[in-house]
Amino acid sequence: NAGVTQTPKFQVLKTGQSMTLQCAQDMNHEYMSWYRQDPGMGLRLIHYSVGAGITDQGEVPNGYNVSRSTTEDFPLRLLSAAPSQTSVYFCASSPNTGEKSYGYTFGSGTRLTVV
Amino acid sequence: RKEVEQDPGPFNVPEGATVAFNCTYSNSASQSFFWYRQDCRKEPKLLMSVYSSGNEDGRFTAQLNRASQYISLLIRDSKLSDSATYLCVVRASGTYKYIFGTGTRLKVLA
Repeated sequence: NAGVTQTPKFQVLKTGQSMTLQCAQDMNHEYMSWYRQDPGMGLRLIHYSVGAGITDQGEVPNGYNVSRSTTEDFPLRLLSAAPSQTSVYFCASSPNTGEKSYGYTFGSGTRLTVV
Repeated sequence: RKEVEQDPGPFNVPEGATVAFNCTYSNSASQSFFWYRQDCRKEPKLLMSVYSSGNEDGRFTAQLNRASQYISLLIRDSKLSDSATYLCVVRASGTYKYIFGTGTRLKVLA
């Protein structure tokens, strides 16, 4: 059971380049989300999805796009990379979207540097 | 004011000590609460959910105080392996957003 798989683990981009961070889960979780983690800022929610075809913005969505065409996959696209997007990105999933919460399973993260 | 606030620490404690962390939240409609543990350069891992009646898992006890809007984590008989950053997470009723605190760093010293 792989859980939540993120690729790549490390990436260096030049300012202005675009790229997609991949996230896949094999637990049939409805809820998936993307966070970024910066020193002193904690984890901040970028986008989330409560099921295939449904996405919404989190706290810091600017500069990022997401889509959810299947239950398993939730890619995060950086449209035009900026140095301010240098961060560690975590994808996470959770079993349900109802009022009862079960907590997240996280992927191992993608360390992105924009130069 | 941040939605979820934690003392960043570090809390330096000797092995065997008892240590407690608090986490305050601003949204009174918050309904789900969790503690996560994060080791250096690793992903966060769920430590425990926090229930209204309080709950215990081995050496770890979590409490919720709705009136004062905070949750707490108590660690008894600290081990060197407990050294990590502890994150509290809050989800408000009617939303699907899980908001993280910035974490409290714990160092258990030999």
